[in-house]
Amino acid sequence: AQRVTQPEKLLSVFKGAPVELKCNYSYSGSPELFWYVQYSRQRLQLLLRHISRESIKGFTADLNKGETSFHLKKPFAQEEDSAMYYCALRVGSARQLTFGSGTQLTVLP
Amino acid sequence: EAQVTQNPRYLITVTGKKLTVTCSQNMNHEYMSWYRQDPGLGLRQIYYSMNVEVTDKGDVPEGYKVSRKEKRNFPLILESPSPNQTSLYFCASSAGSGTDTQYFGPGTRLTVL
Repeated sequence: AQRVTQPEKLLSVFKGAPVELKCNYSYSGSPELFWYVQYSRQRLQLLLRHISRESIKGFTADLNKGETSFHLKKPFAQEEDSAMYYCALRVGSARQLTFGSGTQLTVLP
Repeated sequence: EAQVTQNPRYLITVTGKKLTVTCSQNMNHEYMSWYRQDPGLGLRQIYYSMNVEVTDKGDVPEGYKVSRKEKRNFPLILESPSPNQTSLYFCASSAGSGTDTQYFGPGTRLTVL
């Protein structure tokens, strides 16, 4: 079965510093990877997906099939980026998402 | 406004007292799903539904039931709640295509005493 691992439960960086949230997955085929974000007191929402190859709010994520990783990066963190971030995986045509355990990012002033 | 709604948002109950958490979406989505969110465990899928009258178990279905009599509604039923079902519950929905986004409800915080 597929699995998503986010090794850092908590991550703190200072405003303006680069940030990288790690995500590794286990699946032998070609998965679809997502990052979801949950700001304080708000619902979970999609941040970005790998097939779009887009940058949202300054965040990017590249799928590395060799390392089975989908790390989320931002060159200059902002205080408003403080949130819980979840990496998620979807396999084939199924719509079920498998989530990682999440990383709580805190950007310090 | 396109959205997923859940009720109630907060609920405190006692062991064994049946309860239902409602979920409704106004986007005509085929797929709906329930997750529970627990510290250190992330989101785990409880049940999902591919369409009306089509439901299936997720990763942690024990102690839960669902029904999908109408496309817009997907209630989560706890017939006999226990303290280990204290959690934050999220409903989500998505359209029928293969690369669709899941839209989440605001969450229901349930405490079972």
